[in-house]
Amino acid sequence: NAGVTQTPKFRVLKTGQSMTLLCAQDMNHEYMYWYRQDPGMGLRLIHYSVGEGTTAKGEVPDGYNVSRLKKQNFLLGLESAAPSQTSVYFCASSYSGSGDSDTQYFGPGTRLTVL
Amino acid sequence: AQRVTQPEKLLSVFKGAPVELKCNYSYSGSPELFWYVQYSRQRLQLLLRHISRESIKGFTADLNKGETSFHLKKPFAQEEDSAMYYCALKDYGQNFVFGPGTRLSVLP
Repeated sequence: NAGVTQTPKFRVLKTGQSMTLLCAQDMNHEYMYWYRQDPGMGLRLIHYSVGEGTTAKGEVPDGYNVSRLKKQNFLLGLESAAPSQTSVYFCASSYSGSGDSDTQYFGPGTRLTVL
Repeated sequence: AQRVTQPEKLLSVFKGAPVELKCNYSYSGSPELFWYVQYSRQRLQLLLRHISRESIKGFTADLNKGETSFHLKKPFAQEEDSAMYYCALKDYGQNFVFGPGTRLSVLP
């Protein structure tokens, strides 16, 4: 099992450009999450999904959109990138949202720089 | 809004010494609390959760609702414990709030 994978690993964008980050998991997990991590701060939840076709906002959703068309994939989109979105993005998945099944499994991260 | 604070950015201890990584939270309800760890060149992974009341790799953490704390403790630190440790809180929904992390360095 590959676990949670993220594509791409690194990306540099210019202000105003758009891009999509892909998160894929092969563990048949229902829940998936997108976080961003900035220097000196903890992970902050951007959006999450509790199942195929469903998404919900986290703590810092502005400027991002997400889609969960397939259970194994969770896409994070930036329609018009801004320098404030320079960050490391982490994807995570969990079997469910309760009990021991809410353990999150993390991807390796995507380092995004917006110039 | 709920918050998780970890007052120490860096904690250095000698091998065999006790270690305590501090975590305080602010949350009005009954939180679920976790410790996640990231070893060098590895992914972030769950270390333990307060509900399980278990000891993982010699680490324990007790939820103190009166002091709103969830400190991580180990009586005898090992060099392989060197890592970045994050305290996290799950609120009413699926909103996880992570602290800024503490880098533990265990010196030989």
